[in-house]
Amino acid sequence: DQQVKQNSPSLSVQEGRISILNCDYTNSMFDYFLWYKKYPAEGPTFLISISSIKDKNEDGRFTVFLNKSAKHLSLHIVPSQPGDSAVYFCAARFTSGTYKYIFGTGTRLKVLA
Amino acid sequence: DSGVTQTPKHLITATGQRVTLRCSPRSGDLSVYWYQQSLDQGLQFLIHYYNGEERAKGNILERFSAQQFPDLHSELNLSSLELGDSALYFCASSGLGNEKLFFGSGTQLSVL
Repeated sequence: DQQVKQNSPSLSVQEGRISILNCDYTNSMFDYFLWYKKYPAEGPTFLISISSIKDKNEDGRFTVFLNKSAKHLSLHIVPSQPGDSAVYFCAARFTSGTYKYIFGTGTRLKVLA
Repeated sequence: DSGVTQTPKHLITATGQRVTLRCSPRSGDLSVYWYQQSLDQGLQFLIHYYNGEERAKGNILERFSAQQFPDLHSELNLSSLELGDSALYFCASSGLGNEKLFFGSGTQLSVL
Protein backbone atom coordinates (compact mmCIF):
# COMPACT_ATOMS: atom_id res chain seq x y z
CA ASP A 1 0.00 0.00 0.00
CA GLN A 2 1.98 2.96 -1.31
CA GLN A 3 0.53 5.89 0.60
CA VAL A 4 3.08 8.36 -0.76
CA LYS A 5 3.79 8.25 -4.48
CA GLN A 6 6.38 9.91 -6.64
CA ASN A 7 5.36 8.95 -10.13
CA SER A 8 8.36 10.38 -11.95
CA PRO A 9 11.45 8.23 -11.37
CA SER A 10 13.68 10.79 -13.05
CA LEU A 11 13.79 14.37 -14.27
CA SER A 12 16.34 16.34 -16.28
CA VAL A 13 16.45 20.12 -16.19
CA GLN A 14 18.77 22.71 -17.67
CA GLU A 15 20.87 24.75 -15.26
CA GLY A 16 19.15 27.99 -14.31
CA ARG A 17 15.66 26.70 -15.10
CA ILE A 18 12.98 25.60 -12.66
CA SER A 19 12.82 22.02 -11.38
CA ILE A 20 9.41 20.78 -10.27
CA LEU A 21 9.18 17.53 -8.38
CA ASN A 22 5.78 16.08 -7.60
CA CYS A 23 4.35 13.88 -4.90
CA ASP A 24 0.87 12.46 -4.30
CA TYR A 25 -0.50 10.96 -1.13
CA THR A 26 -3.60 9.02 -0.20
CA ASN A 27 -3.92 9.34 3.58
CA SER A 28 -5.75 12.48 4.68
CA MET A 29 -4.44 11.96 8.22
CA PHE A 30 -0.92 13.04 7.28
CA ASP A 31 -0.18 16.25 9.19
CA TYR A 32 3.31 17.17 8.02
CA PHE A 33 5.18 16.79 4.76
CA LEU A 34 8.91 16.83 4.11
CA TRP A 35 11.37 16.71 1.25
CA TYR A 36 14.72 15.02 1.55
CA LYS A 37 17.69 15.05 -0.78
CA LYS A 38 20.02 12.11 -1.14
CA TYR A 39 23.45 11.94 -2.73
CA PRO A 40 25.06 8.56 -3.53
CA ALA A 41 26.69 6.83 -0.56
CA GLU A 42 25.11 9.29 1.87
CA GLY A 43 22.00 9.29 4.01
CA PRO A 44 19.03 11.47 3.09
CA THR A 45 19.28 15.06 4.30
CA PHE A 46 16.36 17.26 5.21
CA LEU A 47 15.54 19.98 2.70
CA ILE A 48 12.23 21.64 3.49
CA SER A 49 8.91 20.84 5.13
CA ILE A 50 5.34 22.08 5.33
CA SER A 51 2.57 21.67 7.84
CA SER A 52 -0.80 20.46 6.61
CA ILE A 53 -2.35 23.77 7.74
CA LYS A 54 -0.28 25.73 5.23
CA ASP A 55 -0.20 25.73 1.46
CA LYS A 56 3.27 27.12 0.80
CA ASN A 57 6.65 27.24 2.45
CA GLU A 58 9.72 28.88 1.01
CA ASP A 59 13.39 28.60 1.90
CA GLY A 60 15.80 30.28 -0.48
CA ARG A 61 15.68 28.56 -3.85
CA PHE A 62 13.32 25.87 -2.55
CA THR A 63 9.54 26.20 -2.28
CA VAL A 64 7.08 23.49 -1.33
CA PHE A 65 3.41 23.77 -2.30
CA LEU A 66 0.65 21.72 -0.71
CA ASN A 67 -2.75 21.16 -2.31
CA LYS A 68 -4.77 19.25 0.27
CA SER A 69 -7.88 18.89 -1.83
CA ALA A 70 -5.84 17.15 -4.52
CA LYS A 71 -3.61 15.39 -1.96
CA HIS A 72 -0.63 16.67 -3.88
CA LEU A 73 2.58 18.45 -3.03
CA SER A 74 5.37 19.74 -5.14
CA LEU A 75 8.90 21.00 -4.67
CA HIS A 76 10.10 23.87 -6.83
CA ILE A 77 13.80 24.61 -7.18
CA VAL A 78 14.61 27.95 -8.79
CA PRO A 79 17.14 28.40 -10.25
CA SER A 80 18.36 24.83 -10.58
CA GLN A 81 22.08 24.24 -10.13
CA PRO A 82 24.26 21.25 -11.04
CA GLY A 83 24.82 20.60 -7.32
CA ASP A 84 21.08 19.97 -6.98
CA SER A 85 21.51 16.72 -8.93
CA ALA A 86 20.44 14.05 -6.46
CA VAL A 87 17.53 11.78 -5.56
CA TYR A 88 14.66 13.64 -3.89
CA PHE A 89 12.30 11.85 -1.52
CA CYS A 90 8.93 13.12 -0.49
CA ALA A 91 7.79 12.06 2.99
CA ALA A 92 4.62 12.41 5.02
CA ARG A 93 4.17 12.19 8.76
CA PHE A 94 1.30 10.36 10.40
CA THR A 95 0.59 11.15 14.03
CA SER A 96 -1.53 8.68 15.98
CA GLY A 97 -0.10 8.00 19.40
CA THR A 98 3.30 7.99 17.78
CA TYR A 99 4.98 9.49 14.77
CA LYS A 100 5.38 7.55 11.56
CA TYR A 101 7.12 8.86 8.47
CA ILE A 102 6.17 7.35 5.10
CA PHE A 103 8.48 7.95 2.16
CA GLY A 104 7.94 7.92 -1.57
CA THR A 105 10.16 6.02 -3.99
CA GLY A 106 12.17 9.09 -4.96
CA THR A 107 12.81 11.15 -8.09
CA ARG A 108 16.30 11.35 -9.53
CA LEU A 109 16.96 14.94 -10.60
CA LYS A 110 19.72 15.69 -13.04
CA VAL A 111 20.58 19.35 -13.63
CA LEU A 112 22.46 19.79 -16.89
CA ALA A 113 25.17 22.44 -17.12
CA ASP B 1 27.23 15.53 9.38
CA SER B 2 23.78 14.65 10.73
CA GLY B 3 25.09 13.50 14.11
CA VAL B 4 23.62 10.02 13.59
CA THR B 5 26.23 7.28 13.45
CA GLN B 6 25.72 3.90 11.83
CA THR B 7 28.12 0.98 11.88
CA PRO B 8 29.30 -0.85 9.96
CA LYS B 9 29.15 1.00 6.64
CA HIS B 10 29.37 -2.21 4.65
CA LEU B 11 28.53 -5.79 5.53
CA ILE B 12 28.94 -8.83 3.34
CA THR B 13 27.58 -12.13 4.56
CA ALA B 14 26.07 -15.39 3.38
CA THR B 15 22.52 -16.66 3.26
CA GLY B 16 21.29 -18.11 6.51
CA GLN B 17 23.56 -15.93 8.63
CA ARG B 18 22.66 -13.35 11.27
CA VAL B 19 23.95 -9.79 11.46
CA THR B 20 23.57 -6.81 13.77
CA LEU B 21 23.45 -3.22 12.59
CA ARG B 22 24.14 -0.48 15.08
CA CYS B 23 22.90 3.09 15.32
CA SER B 24 23.77 5.95 17.66
CA PRO B 25 21.23 8.79 17.47
CA ARG B 26 22.01 12.48 17.70
CA SER B 27 22.81 13.64 21.19
CA GLY B 28 19.54 14.16 23.09
CA ASP B 29 17.27 12.49 20.51
CA LEU B 30 15.02 9.86 22.07
CA SER B 31 13.45 8.52 18.87
CA VAL B 32 15.15 6.07 16.54
CA TYR B 33 13.68 4.88 13.26
CA TRP B 34 14.92 2.11 10.99
CA TYR B 35 14.36 2.10 7.23
CA GLN B 36 15.27 -0.28 4.43
CA GLN B 37 16.06 0.86 0.91
CA SER B 38 16.19 -1.86 -1.70
CA LEU B 39 17.19 -1.30 -5.32
CA ASP B 40 14.82 1.16 -7.02
CA GLN B 41 12.64 1.21 -3.93
CA GLY B 42 11.87 4.05 -1.63
CA LEU B 43 12.64 4.07 2.05
CA GLN B 44 10.53 1.36 3.64
CA PHE B 45 9.73 1.99 7.30
CA LEU B 46 10.70 -0.91 9.52
CA ILE B 47 10.35 0.11 13.15
CA HIS B 48 10.34 3.09 15.55
CA TYR B 49 11.65 3.19 19.11
CA TYR B 50 11.19 5.97 21.61
CA ASN B 51 13.25 6.07 24.79
CA GLY B 52 13.73 2.32 24.83
CA GLU B 53 10.18 1.34 23.92
CA GLU B 54 8.88 0.08 20.60
CA ARG B 55 6.32 2.59 19.32
CA ALA B 56 5.45 1.53 15.78
CA LYS B 57 6.13 -1.28 13.36
CA GLY B 58 6.11 -1.11 9.61
CA ASN B 59 7.01 -3.69 7.01
CA ILE B 60 9.42 -5.55 9.25
CA LEU B 61 9.88 -9.27 8.71
CA GLU B 62 9.60 -11.68 11.63
CA ARG B 63 13.25 -12.62 11.01
CA PHE B 64 14.18 -9.04 11.88
CA SER B 65 14.14 -7.52 15.34
CA ALA B 66 15.37 -4.34 16.96
CA GLN B 67 15.93 -2.83 20.34
CA GLN B 68 16.91 0.47 21.87
CA PHE B 69 19.21 0.44 24.86
CA PRO B 70 19.27 2.71 27.97
CA ASP B 71 22.02 4.82 26.38
CA LEU B 72 19.59 5.29 23.45
CA HIS B 73 21.66 3.52 20.83
CA SER B 74 19.74 1.00 18.78
CA GLU B 75 20.50 -2.30 17.09
CA LEU B 76 18.71 -3.97 14.21
CA ASN B 77 19.15 -7.73 14.13
CA LEU B 78 18.61 -9.58 10.86
CA SER B 79 18.59 -13.37 10.98
CA SER B 80 18.23 -16.28 8.55
CA LEU B 81 19.37 -13.90 5.87
CA GLU B 82 18.12 -14.30 2.31
CA LEU B 83 19.42 -12.83 -0.94
CA GLY B 84 16.47 -10.44 -0.98
CA ASP B 85 17.58 -8.87 2.29
CA SER B 86 20.43 -7.19 0.46
CA ALA B 87 19.72 -3.49 0.82
CA LEU B 88 20.75 -0.21 2.38
CA TYR B 89 19.58 0.06 5.96
CA PHE B 90 19.18 3.53 7.39
CA CYS B 91 18.73 4.66 10.91
CA ALA B 92 17.27 8.07 11.70
CA SER B 93 16.65 9.98 14.89
CA SER B 94 14.39 12.85 15.83
CA GLY B 95 14.05 15.24 18.70
CA LEU B 96 11.14 16.27 20.89
CA GLY B 97 9.27 18.23 18.23
CA ASN B 98 9.50 15.29 15.82
CA GLU B 99 9.40 17.67 12.91
CA LYS B 100 12.11 15.97 10.92
CA LEU B 101 14.32 12.94 10.82
CA PHE B 102 18.10 13.05 10.80
CA PHE B 103 19.57 10.12 8.92
CA GLY B 104 22.79 8.25 9.30
CA SER B 105 24.84 7.35 6.25
CA GLY B 106 23.48 3.81 6.20
CA THR B 107 24.74 0.25 6.26
CA GLN B 108 25.02 -1.49 2.90
CA LEU B 109 24.19 -5.15 3.45
CA SER B 110 25.10 -7.67 0.78
CA VAL B 111 23.88 -11.23 1.21
CA LEU B 112 25.69 -13.65 -1.11
